[in-house]
Amino acid sequence: DGGITQSPKYLFRKEGQNVTLSCEQNLNHDAMYWYRQDPGQGLRLIYYSQIVNDFQKGDIAEGYSVSREKKESFPLTVTSAQKNPTAFYLCASSTLSGVNTDTQYFGPGTRLTVL
Amino acid sequence: AQSVTQLGSHVSVSEGALVLLRCNYSSSVPPYLFWYVQYPNQGLQLLLKYTSAATLVKGINGFEAEFKKSETSFHLTKPSAHMSDAAEYFCAVTLSGYSSASKIIFGSGTRLSIRP
Repeated sequence: DGGITQSPKYLFRKEGQNVTLSCEQNLNHDAMYWYRQDPGQGLRLIYYSQIVNDFQKGDIAEGYSVSREKKESFPLTVTSAQKNPTAFYLCASSTLSGVNTDTQYFGPGTRLTVL
Repeated sequence: AQSVTQLGSHVSVSEGALVLLRCNYSSSVPPYLFWYVQYPNQGLQLLLKYTSAATLVKGINGFEAEFKKSETSFHLTKPSAHMSDAAEYFCAVTLSGYSSASKIIFGSGTRLSIRP
């Protein structure tokens, strides 16, 4: 089945440590996105990428980094510079051609807790 | 600039009652509008979307939404609530024909609770 996978589902990190969240898709989508979700605040865009080896900052990129070395993969690193990293992180993807360019498809999410 | 407002962070209805979740949007150009559903500790699932075809859009699980340009609204309804409808619902807006979906704006969400 085609879809988006995120791992791990739950992640615990000590303060001062970097941690990387995985996102893989086999939908052959061009674009991939990372969102952060906090209670009562909806989704906020961290980074997005429309093509391999290129990505753009979203609304809350500070303290995060990404890479896009393969079309299928878009890992997110939460660095020690992110002051409040405890949140639910969602990865999404979309095609940039055809009839569904406007629709984003989401992975199951990773819940990160900083201890 | 685009924006979307969901009225009511929490809505509670009885099982079998009408579900109405409100969404108002602001956009300077014809928008595409979406409703997503999120079950606890899961990702978002697309319920339905409006892309300038029929103004009444039918989605999955018996939900539908009506685009009303004069009211800048896209409210989500379901005639009879089921316990399995308990979830968080997000309204979202993007520019029509925009090839990069980076411009999707999400509302803050409405948590739907169903009373037995």
